[in-house]
Amino acid sequence: GAVVSQHPSWVICKSGTSVKIECRSLDFQATTMFWYRQFPKQSLMLMATSNEGSKATYEQGVEKDKFLINHASLTLSTLTVTSAHPEDSSFYICSGTSALGGTDTQYFGPGTRLTVL
Amino acid sequence: GNSVTQMEGPVTLSEEAFLTINCTYTATGYPSLFWYVQYPGEGLQLLLKATKADDKGSNKGFEATYRKETTSFHLEKGSVQVSDSAVYFCALEGTYKYIFGTGTRLKVLA
Repeated sequence: GAVVSQHPSWVICKSGTSVKIECRSLDFQATTMFWYRQFPKQSLMLMATSNEGSKATYEQGVEKDKFLINHASLTLSTLTVTSAHPEDSSFYICSGTSALGGTDTQYFGPGTRLTVL
Repeated sequence: GNSVTQMEGPVTLSEEAFLTINCTYTATGYPSLFWYVQYPGEGLQLLLKATKADDKGSNKGFEATYRKETTSFHLEKGSVQVSDSAVYFCALEGTYKYIFGTGTRLKVLA
């Protein structure tokens, strides 16, 4: 099956700093990538959808200036949490869609746990 | 709009018990339906999917049938194992994005 990796798997940072999370599709070209946020014991909340070479489309209530998304190539998307604060601490998960699935099956990365002190 | 409703957990079962996790949906048209599993500390893994009415998705002993008449996609397994302990998410493919249920935590006791 299609594989998506994320780096780092976990990160701890000080309040006010910025953190970049990478999402890579290792064996397929992900024309569309999605970024989710998951709070403890809750479902995934879609933050934004990004198509390669275009600006990301953010869901209502998600600050685009705080969560910068770049999808520069068909295998890489990045999420930068700018000026992070403790309330940004969460589990961030990316996914990509692959033509291999036949339908728009999303393949998920393992997630990145962000802790802001 | 599109939505997915899952039974609330946690669900606690003994090993080899029968599992059912209910999932119903509301959608326009005929979306693809999915079950994903999340093991502790990990991301989501696709468990199975169905793309049209009456399709049955199956994997690792789990199965779910796309029921258009009842707008359901219940997950079943005949005999659960301790290693099945995880959170299970039902999802549908909406317009260019997924809609997830809230997840159901399954705990299987030896």
